[in-house]
Amino acid sequence: DTEVTQTPKHLVMGMTNKKSLKCEQHMGHRAMYWYKQKAKKPPELMFVYSYEKLSINESVPSRFSPECPNSSLLNLHLHALQPEDSALYLCASSQVFTGATSRVFGPGTRLTVL
Amino acid sequence: AQSVTQLGSHVSVSEGALVLLRCNYSSSVPPYLFWYVQYPNQGLQLLLKYTSAATLVKGINGFEAEFKKSETSFHLTKPSAHMSDAAEYFCAVSDIQGAQKLVFGQGTRLTINP
Repeated sequence: DTEVTQTPKHLVMGMTNKKSLKCEQHMGHRAMYWYKQKAKKPPELMFVYSYEKLSINESVPSRFSPECPNSSLLNLHLHALQPEDSALYLCASSQVFTGATSRVFGPGTRLTVL
Repeated sequence: AQSVTQLGSHVSVSEGALVLLRCNYSSSVPPYLFWYVQYPNQGLQLLLKYTSAATLVKGINGFEAEFKKSETSFHLTKPSAHMSDAAEYFCAVSDIQGAQKLVFGQGTRLTINP
């Protein structure tokens, strides 16, 4: 298994809803990432987990809450989002968290906040 | 801090013509450099990676890139464009000291004309 899977593919939510994005990999990677990508822009790093511990939080608003239950799973809990949070949310993984290792990206979740 | 500049936000070539996508980097230490491709409504896929071994790096789908330290460049080429190459291409440099983050360029949209 050489891929990162993400569910759901599309998500529409209101500003008062609570929802979660899920990411899974079975490559034995020990680093996992959340990125946010707006249209026609490069991905922006949000969070990095290394060996199931939060390693980097890029000053992301608290309405985004990451969770890493085990080495294969990564969740992103969403609450009280704003319309400007609408974007493609990409999960990625790498063997370890170093600059030298290439990230394997999932297909993304297209989020629309109404 | 490391950075990359992709020259040309949009490149258009004819099918069968040479593809050249330009990337210049800024780094105070020898960098690791990556090219990723993103097809519409998909995640990013690694095309190739430079890790200080051979300066000419061959990737998937017939793409290659040459690391030129004197020019601080890592341009992506393909001898003969195919319609299926139409996509967004991102050059990235890794921060191999300090935060270990991947820094993306702004992207180049490649259009193939029949």
